[in-house]
Amino acid sequence: AQSVTQLDSQVPVFEEAPVELRCNYSSSVSVYLFWYVQYPNQGLQLLLKYLSGSTLVESINGFEAEFNKSQTSFHLRKPSVHISDTAEYFCAAMYSGGGADGLTFGKGTHLIIQP
Amino acid sequence: DTAVSQTPKYLVTQMGNDKSIKCEQNLGHDTMYWYKQDSKKFLKIMFSYNNKELIINETVPNRFSPKSPDKAHLNLHINSLELGDSAVYFCASSQAGGYTGELFFGEGSRLTVL
Repeated sequence: AQSVTQLDSQVPVFEEAPVELRCNYSSSVSVYLFWYVQYPNQGLQLLLKYLSGSTLVESINGFEAEFNKSQTSFHLRKPSVHISDTAEYFCAAMYSGGGADGLTFGKGTHLIIQP
Repeated sequence: DTAVSQTPKYLVTQMGNDKSIKCEQNLGHDTMYWYKQDSKKFLKIMFSYNNKELIINETVPNRFSPKSPDKAHLNLHINSLELGDSAVYFCASSQAGGYTGELFFGEGSRLTVL
């Protein structure tokens, strides 16, 4: 079965420090990759996605992720975090034949920003 | 205007009861989903519904049944509720069968079974 692995359930980091949230996916011929963010008591929102083309994708609020096929990874990074980045971050994948089958989510990483 | 709305937001009920959660999307999307998020925040797809085609996750008990009166609505009915059904249930929608991967989520419905 296809799977998405987020090894870190929780990542504490100081404000203005850089952060990396790790994500690995099970290998497939065709896969689309996503990061979703869930703020407290809210639904999930799409942060960024990789469908094809450039392997480095960026969000409007300073996050970026790089698709690395050889390492089957899609790690999320931000050079300087802010208190407002505190949230749960989910990596997700859509494998070929997905579509209406939906996304396969990782177990989430809770990003905790310390002042 | 809320894009994907769910009601109720909170639901507390006794074991054995039957309950429903409603979902509506005003985005004109043709695919809708139900996800379950457990106490450890793990998200798992339960159903997707696309142009009257229902795809069911085989691990979902048949006590759970989705009902779609029209393209904009996908309601979730749960019969004979059990303690393990306590979770947050998220409705979502997407365009074009979700192939772009962008799902729009509702704010969730927190179900507590006592």
